[in-house]
Amino acid sequence: DAKTTQPTSMDCAEGRAANLPCNHSTISGNEYVYWYRQIHSQGPQYIIHGLKNNETNEMASLIITEDRKSSTLILPHATLRDTAVYYCIVRGETSYDKVIFGPGTSLSVIP
Amino acid sequence: DVKVTQSSRYLVKRTGEKVFLECVQDMDHENMFWYRQDPGLGLRLIYFSYDVKMKEKGDIPEGYSVSREKKERFSLILESASTNQTSMYLCASSALGGIGFQETQYFGPGTRLLVL
Repeated sequence: DAKTTQPTSMDCAEGRAANLPCNHSTISGNEYVYWYRQIHSQGPQYIIHGLKNNETNEMASLIITEDRKSSTLILPHATLRDTAVYYCIVRGETSYDKVIFGPGTSLSVIP
Repeated sequence: DVKVTQSSRYLVKRTGEKVFLECVQDMDHENMFWYRQDPGLGLRLIYFSYDVKMKEKGDIPEGYSVSREKKERFSLILESASTNQTSMYLCASSALGGIGFQETQYFGPGTRLLVL
């Protein structure tokens, strides 16, 4: 049972920032927000995760609202290779807590 | 860089055959997982292991077994393949982590299995 809702699909122009929203209004205090993406017929790729604070790595930035009920994944300069399904998930603190994907957002980067 | 590899990208087997899917990770991770991914059903956990020779059932273990003889290797076995086991199989691994500390699961490239 996915605890997140995301738009079904989005388009983004190549070179522009892609902002992917996610709602997780029932998130509890010890649950993390994770983002993965999956390019067609490949395994899911980890992107970023966070608990309360905004996070940035070489792939993306994660902005989490103060009430933690929603977040936004930002790909600062989208390329054609970023076309994929993006999954936002929440996970508990147990390290072997399973990963549950919802339908995700299908991002198409347009030339 | 975490590397999770799976023995085959594509596999075609006949009903009743025994099928072995192998997964190897090179990050000394304690936890390893087998999932299957099907359209409309998302990702479902089959089995996981948190240590050598340890295994735990996930949500859909029926028709599958696993083996973890070495820390880096986690095998999924279909004792007698059936057509409803046609799917994308994904292996993942993660470090153990501490209490209250989440560890990221890293996935392999997947094995697309077709059972005829």
